[in-house]
Amino acid sequence: DAGVIQSPRHEVTEMGQEVTLRCKPISGHDYLFWYRQTMMRGLELLIYFNNNVPIDDSGMPEDRFSAKMPNASFSTLKIQPSEPRDSAVYFCASRYSETLPEAFFGQGTRLTVV
Amino acid sequence: RKEVEQDPGPFNVPEGATVAFNCTYSNSASQSFFWYRQDCRKEPKLLMSVYSSGNEDGRFTAQLNRASQYISLLIRDSKLSDSATYLCVVNTLNYGGSQGNLIFGKGTKLSVKP
Repeated sequence: DAGVIQSPRHEVTEMGQEVTLRCKPISGHDYLFWYRQTMMRGLELLIYFNNNVPIDDSGMPEDRFSAKMPNASFSTLKIQPSEPRDSAVYFCASRYSETLPEAFFGQGTRLTVV
Repeated sequence: RKEVEQDPGPFNVPEGATVAFNCTYSNSASQSFFWYRQDCRKEPKLLMSVYSSGNEDGRFTAQLNRASQYISLLIRDSKLSDSATYLCVVNTLNYGGSQGNLIFGKGTKLSVKP
């Protein structure tokens, strides 16, 4: 397996634009996580899915953020409208189950909102 | 109180030194514990799980004290290649009782010098 695949790797956008980040988890993994990482706040859990169902979205900062997982092999994180304070590295991670809890991360999307 | 707290460092040590990192967590019902390593501008990767009885992997030793809600990582005979940020990770219960949440500390930066 190629691991967790995220796209794009880098995104530069203007304030107010819509941004869509994409993630393909490792095949067979039941859990998918979206994290945001900044120097100030570290790695923050935004939302996670179990079997494509959102379980905990309490980390999503506000209504401008939304995440979907239409099937087991694809998830999106959307920011609309984007703001400069959304600039961060966004990681997607997946894991097999609660009994095998190691999470595997994608390489991240570095988002810059100007 | 943050869910997972770590000393941010940086820890600057010479090659061959022994260095210890500490971490505390707030949710007493947490079940699984890990140390991840993150190199500069890379994704986090699992270093080792932490078991109640303590566990060792080569030069790395992890300890868990459930009563004090405290996790530690000891690195012996440190190498230049150990320079990275070390993230303490706790698998916590979310509001629905699922064990899905993986909560990361902000990390401790280690720099090993020749």
